[in-house]
Amino acid sequence: QKEVEQNSGPLSVPEGAIASLNCTYSDRGSQSFFWYRQYSGKSPELIMFIYSNGDKEDGRFTAQLNKASQYVSLLIRDSQPSDSATYLCAVNRGRAGGTSYGKLTFGQGTILTVHP
Amino acid sequence: ETGVTQTPRHLVMGMTNKKSLKCEQHLGHNAMYWYKQSAKKPLELMFVYNFKEQTENNSVPSRFSPECPNSSHLFLHLHTLQPEDSALYLCASSQESGNIQYFGAGTRLSVL
Repeated sequence: QKEVEQNSGPLSVPEGAIASLNCTYSDRGSQSFFWYRQYSGKSPELIMFIYSNGDKEDGRFTAQLNKASQYVSLLIRDSQPSDSATYLCAVNRGRAGGTSYGKLTFGQGTILTVHP
Repeated sequence: ETGVTQTPRHLVMGMTNKKSLKCEQHLGHNAMYWYKQSAKKPLELMFVYNFKEQTENNSVPSRFSPECPNSSHLFLHLHTLQPEDSALYLCASSQESGNIQYFGAGTRLSVL
């Protein structure tokens, strides 16, 4: 089982629709969860982070975390062609002061295409 | 671009060459990271430095040698690489080990 698993896609949605990106992780002790966006040929940039169960909203983006199900998702409302990119889920497996602290584990990424 | 600068942006080297990648962060962070990104594979953490001390070596071959002279600079020294080492090498930094990481633009390395 992969430590962090994402559907590689591509996920194709029409402009204006909601894009739903999913991620599961294997380590039940994981503490922090991040979503990065990576345009082709560019470096990853942080979109959202979430630490607690539930939803966290920032503009058109909503991150959802369910630690019991070991599941984190990213919703993009009113999707735009400029949202077309690879979305990387990352998980921090460690706790503050522990030996794994700072070790982000990334999923393979989901390619999102938003078509006009 | 972010406050993390990587040089060079592109590098082509032979298997017998020695080269170095450089990373500099202007964010006042005290943790720095090297990652490898290969096609069709997840980002792989290579090394973590926290306050100049190496805290993570993710079973990286010895042909990759990191150096962190201070909290703002990180190097990756390369020697006798293999063609399968061709990848995008990304540097990142964070306020402290484990917090949000900010990435540089990366060095695209090709080993011939």
